[in-house]
Amino acid sequence: GAGVSQSPSNKVTEKGKDVELRCDPISGHTALYWYRQRLGQGLEFLIYFQGNSAPDKSGLPSDRFSAERTGESVSTLTIQRTQQEDSAVYLCASSLSVTAFSYEQYFGPGTRLTVT
Amino acid sequence: AQSVAQPEDQVNVAEGNPLTVKCTYSVSGNPYLFWYVQYPNRGLQFLLKYITGDNLVKGSYGFEAEFNKSQTSFHLKKPSALVSDSALYFCAVRDGNAGNMLTFGGGTRLMVKP
Repeated sequence: GAGVSQSPSNKVTEKGKDVELRCDPISGHTALYWYRQRLGQGLEFLIYFQGNSAPDKSGLPSDRFSAERTGESVSTLTIQRTQQEDSAVYLCASSLSVTAFSYEQYFGPGTRLTVT
Repeated sequence: AQSVAQPEDQVNVAEGNPLTVKCTYSVSGNPYLFWYVQYPNRGLQFLLKYITGDNLVKGSYGFEAEFNKSQTSFHLKKPSALVSDSALYFCAVRDGNAGNMLTFGGGTRLMVKP
């Protein structure tokens, strides 16, 4: 596709509910990343996938957060039992590879999650 | 651990004047450095990168950045600012010796006034 797409663009949910966020990377990009951006703050790394390798989950803040990716395509980020502190913009990015350090990441528009 | 600092929360500059947005980094290996820009309600857009070679790198929209190894800096510059350059700018680093994670600075808001 032309760029990284994410859905939904906005999600309002009640505290305690589960949410799923979706990311479609650029076609041919083997690496996919998830970040969280709280209001007025920088990006916080959550997880990345590279091909069929085990994902790097080192940035996930708690076991309520999980992510999956099917092959080198769509990824879903799931937040269970949402809390108000989960409110943020969740950004997805893709790059040609993680092993080629020169490959910059291309970002989607983000999903704004609001937990009430 | 790798880290990035953007010491200014906001930079104000008049249209037509040169601008500088500061970034310093800390890594154990070779640094791979990036600048991204974020316009309101939009995702991050890649501006430029330094991997190796010439310390002065040129990127999109007339921006450039200078890699200074001794000062561990990678300041973003533009000779003549435009009002349309007003946005949030993020510096990011990837440590060549420490895996594949990209660490971002806290961001600097650039305000260009007419």
